[in-house]
Amino acid sequence: GQQVMQIPQYQHVQEGEDFTTYCNSSTTLSNIQWYKQRPGGHPVFLIQLVKSGEVKKQKRLTFQFGEAKKNSSLHITATQTTDVGTYFCAGVRNYGGATNKLIFGTGTLLAVQP
Amino acid sequence: EPEVTQTPSHQVTQMGQEVILRCVPISNHLYFYWYRQILGQKVEFLVSFYNNEISEKSEIFDDQFSVERPDGSNFTLKIRSTKLEDSAMYFCASRAGTGVSNQPQHFGDGTRLSIL
Repeated sequence: GQQVMQIPQYQHVQEGEDFTTYCNSSTTLSNIQWYKQRPGGHPVFLIQLVKSGEVKKQKRLTFQFGEAKKNSSLHITATQTTDVGTYFCAGVRNYGGATNKLIFGTGTLLAVQP
Repeated sequence: EPEVTQTPSHQVTQMGQEVILRCVPISNHLYFYWYRQILGQKVEFLVSFYNNEISEKSEIFDDQFSVERPDGSNFTLKIRSTKLEDSAMYFCASRAGTGVSNQPQHFGDGTRLSIL
């Protein structure tokens, strides 16, 4: 079945350092979404990428969707302690269909040391 | 901002018992989902529901699972005879359907299900 993998599983950084997580799907995606989950919390939607090669920015966060629509990345510049949490990518294959189920990646847990 | 609400926040049940998890999706949303997350693992798709019927289900969603939308606001997940391995956090999500088709899913806070 379709699989979405993320690396690294865990990243520990000093506050102010940059952070990147990479997401790879075994199949071509219609779009990809990124979620952040704080410890004990629920996934919170961050952004959606739809077009091949798309790049979007949200303040210190930069999201990219690969040309082949099979991989994506999230880069955080100058991390802050508020960035702590697990970052999940989630792929969608049934674009516009009645399902649009999310296939979540394995997640990257980010720890930020002050 | 409208939210997806789930009750209860924590459910403790004896193995073999039936459990019903409840969700109130965002009011104008048309697509509803259940996901689960075993402690320390990724979020897994269980089932999607649209137009009063299941549109897709995963292999996890076997005959012990069922979903209902009994009225205009609630969306429930029932597990008929719980097993130890059903212990997980269960998330409900909903998505708008009118207009732009690729609307994001909004998640509730989850119900932590503990099977003893």
